[in-house]
Amino acid sequence: RKEVEQDPGPFNVPEGATVAFNCTYSNSASQSFFWYRQDCRKEPKLLMSVYSSGNEDGRFTAQLNRASQYISLLIRDSKLSDSATYLCVVNIGAGNMLTFGGGTRLMVKP
Amino acid sequence: DADVTQTPRNRITKTGKRIMLECSQTKGHDRMYWYRQDPGLGLRLIYYSFDVKDINKGEISDGYSVSRQAQAKFSLSLESAIPNQTALYFCATTAAYTGELFFGEGSRLTVL
Repeated sequence: RKEVEQDPGPFNVPEGATVAFNCTYSNSASQSFFWYRQDCRKEPKLLMSVYSSGNEDGRFTAQLNRASQYISLLIRDSKLSDSATYLCVVNIGAGNMLTFGGGTRLMVKP
Repeated sequence: DADVTQTPRNRITKTGKRIMLECSQTKGHDRMYWYRQDPGLGLRLIYYSFDVKDINKGEISDGYSVSRQAQAKFSLSLESAIPNQTALYFCATTAAYTGELFFGEGSRLTVL
């Protein structure tokens, strides 16, 4: 089993839709969690950190469920520019060892 | 100018050749990483370095070596390239414990 798993998608949604992605992790000792965004043929960039209490940044909401060992990303009012691959990243163990999920591809259609 | 610069951006080579990918960063961070990305597999860690005297193997270090020439420079070498090393390679840096990785634009390597 992979340490960090995501549904690869693609998720095809119309503009304005709400879409949610989940990411599961296997190590219960995981300490910190992040969502990165990667555009086609570009480098990943931090979208948002995921805090235990959940956090929101504009149209984006991230949540953590430690009991079930998953994090989620909710995107409201999808824009064409949201089309990208969303990478779940988990800091497992000591130090700054970040493990990436395989990514979920989102395609927002007009 | 980019905070993390990788060279070359694209390289096509033949099996058995030695290849070096170079990375430099202007963030002033101590920690540097090399990842490779293959379709559907996400990013996998090859090597990482927490300072100039510290080099550590990552998940998939076999067939690779690295050199940390200075705080700002971290190079990745393939001593004898093979076709299954064809991939997109990313260098990254981060400050300690922040979790925010700053990536270079990637080096696309094709081994024929």
